Amino acid sequence: DQQVKQNSPSLSVQEGRISILNCDYTNSMFDYFLWYKKYPAEGPTFLISISSIKDKNEDGRFTVFLNKSAKHLSLHIVPSQPGDSAVYFCAAISYGGATNKLIFGTGTLLAVQP
Amino acid sequence: DAGVTQSPTHLIKTRGQHVTLRCSPISGHKSVSWYQQVLGQGPQFIFQYYEKEERGRGNFPDRFSARQFPNYSSELNVNALLLGDSALYLCASTPDRGRREKLFFGSGTQLSVL
Repeated sequence: DQQVKQNSPSLSVQEGRISILNCDYTNSMFDYFLWYKKYPAEGPTFLISISSIKDKNEDGRFTVFLNKSAKHLSLHIVPSQPGDSAVYFCAAISYGGATNKLIFGTGTLLAVQP
Repeated sequence: DAGVTQSPTHLIKTRGQHVTLRCSPISGHKSVSWYQQVLGQGPQFIFQYYEKEERGRGNFPDRFSARQFPNYSSELNVNALLLGDSALYLCASTPDRGRREKLFFGSGTQLSVL
């Protein structure tokens, strides 16, 4: 049962344009949603997060939108840069237990073309 | 400051063997989590330890075990290796206070089981 889904395995965008990465979830009890970025041969690095009580969070070129009724979130990168080329993982966490267990999606490979 | 360090970076084992993976968290971080990332999938939670106590365990067989030492470093042990255990094993640390969802990952150990 995949609670966090990223249906697009890859995305190609021109430098300077907007990149939109999408993520769907099934569990309404998630408290936070996150995006992690992963370069080859490196571990994932935290990018941006959003609380389940918010609908938007912005950090520089990165904005995450949350649509709770549709159980959907998206990451917007504007403008896209070649250095943004990486695998982007959507993740979610519930604070009901003692752990900080993240549930990850399968990832979207973003390629930003110069 | 050093980030999360994992050793070894690569490992090749044969079916039935045992493996031990090691992780040193960021200085001051008391919580360590282990994730398994199979090719084409997102990371999956295996264990979390805090102050040497197990805080959570994912849906993995008993062949997988872990422990945390007084200096907060951790080991992940896998017995009776199967071909399906081939994966990137990621260690992540978090401080004992602050945002539980923001994990700091190491670069991982790539395990190949032949």
